[in-house]
Amino acid sequence: NAGVTQTPKFQVLKTGQSMTLQCAQDMNHNSMYWYRQDPGMGLRLIYYSASEGTTDKGEVPNGYNVSRLNKREFSLRLESAAPSQTSVYFCASNRGGQETQYFGPGTRLLVL
Amino acid sequence: KQEVTQIPAALSVPEGENLVLNCSFTDSAIYNLQWFRQDPGKGLTSLLLIQSSQREQTSGRLNASLDKSSGRSTLYIAASQPGDSATYLCAVRHSSGTYKYIFGTGTRLKVLA
Repeated sequence: NAGVTQTPKFQVLKTGQSMTLQCAQDMNHNSMYWYRQDPGMGLRLIYYSASEGTTDKGEVPNGYNVSRLNKREFSLRLESAAPSQTSVYFCASNRGGQETQYFGPGTRLLVL
Repeated sequence: KQEVTQIPAALSVPEGENLVLNCSFTDSAIYNLQWFRQDPGKGLTSLLLIQSSQREQTSGRLNASLDKSSGRSTLYIAASQPGDSATYLCAVRHSSGTYKYIFGTGTRLKVLA
């Protein structure tokens, strides 16, 4: 039981490049989330998926797209990376909104 | 708009001391509140989840309380140990039915041996 896994662990991009962050969970959870964590800002919700087949915007969705590929996987795509997207990205999941969230180890992204 | 504040931002205490971490929120219409621990360079680990109908939750040396009317939660750590050194974050979910969680910026705790 690996919990929540994220790939890659670390990535360097140039401005304008695109990439997809992958997230998978093996706990049969319905809901999945993408957050970014910046110094002094705390964690901010980018997008979430309450259940398979649905996605909704969080606090800071601009510049990102998501795909809930199936119940296990929830990917985050940066179409044209900007330096402002330099951050640590965390994926999380839970059975439903009232349940404890489980977090992945994070992806550190540097955009030059 | 819900805002979550954690004060102080950093705290150093000697080993063995009992301590209280604070979390305040501006909108009392919450569904639940969670406390997390984050070690440097790692993801978040859930410590305690308090539903809006509950007043407190306990796990080992940790006790979290919730006072919705005053918009406050506290995390009490008894007999602190160097292994408790980490950043502690609280997060609230609004009762509107959305799945959005709002996080505080955390309290960085250092327990000195």
